[in-house]
Amino acid sequence: NAGVMQNPRHLVRRRGQEARLRCSPMKGHSHVYWYRQLPEEGLKFMVYLQKENIIDESGMPKERFSAEFPKEGPSILRIQQVVRGDSAAYFCASSPQGERKLFFGEGSRLTVL
Amino acid sequence: TQLLEQSPQFLSIQEGENLTVYCNSSSVFSSLQWYRQEPGEGPVLLVTVVTGGEVKKLKRLTFQFGDARKDSSLHITAAQPGDTGLYLCAGARDYGQNFVFGPGTRLSVLP
Repeated sequence: NAGVMQNPRHLVRRRGQEARLRCSPMKGHSHVYWYRQLPEEGLKFMVYLQKENIIDESGMPKERFSAEFPKEGPSILRIQQVVRGDSAAYFCASSPQGERKLFFGEGSRLTVL
Repeated sequence: TQLLEQSPQFLSIQEGENLTVYCNSSSVFSSLQWYRQEPGEGPVLLVTVVTGGEVKKLKRLTFQFGDARKDSSLHITAAQPGDTGLYLCAGARDYGQNFVFGPGTRLSVLP
C-alpha cells in the first residue's frame, strides 16, 4: 500500500525556467493538498484539489503558479519563470473522502540558482 | 497574522523529562491534528481531535482539545531522543476547507 509519492525529490532550476512537481496520492484518496515550507518554518497552504476541480487556491500566488489534478494521472504543481524566492520544499498531501486526515509525501525540494 | 500560534517555538530538554507544547487560536476549529516532522521528511499524522475537551493518549503522548475547540496541547512523558522533531498542529474550520498549520515547535531531546 504505497504512500503519497512525490517526484522529483530534488529539482534545480535556473531563474526563468519552469518547474513541474508531481504528486500521486494514496490509493483511494480523492483529495490533494499542496503546501510550501521554507527552512525552519511551518507549512504554508497553497491549493486544495479534488479530481478535475480546484476547491481552494487561496494560498497560491496569482502569477506564475498553477495546479491541476486530472481525472487520470498525478497532481501537478507548475511554477513558471522561477525566481530565487521560489526555492523551498513543496509538500503534497492526500486525504480520503469524508476523513479529516492528511497523509504527506516526502516533498520536492526546489532550488533556484 | 498566524491563524494558529504554537509555543514554545524551540524546546531543548534532557531525556526522561516531561514537556508540554501548545497550539492556540482565536478561531474555532471543527477538528485539529498534530503532526511530527523529521528533517528531510514529510509530516506524519499523530492524532486527530474533534470534540471539545477531548483527551487522546498515544503511548507517552497525551493530546487535549480545548473545550471551546480553539486550542490544544501535547504533553510528552519521559521524553526520549526519538521524540526529537518539529511538532505541528493543523486545524480545519469546516469540512471542505483547507488545513491551516501552525509554525511548529522544534523539540530536541538530548541523551
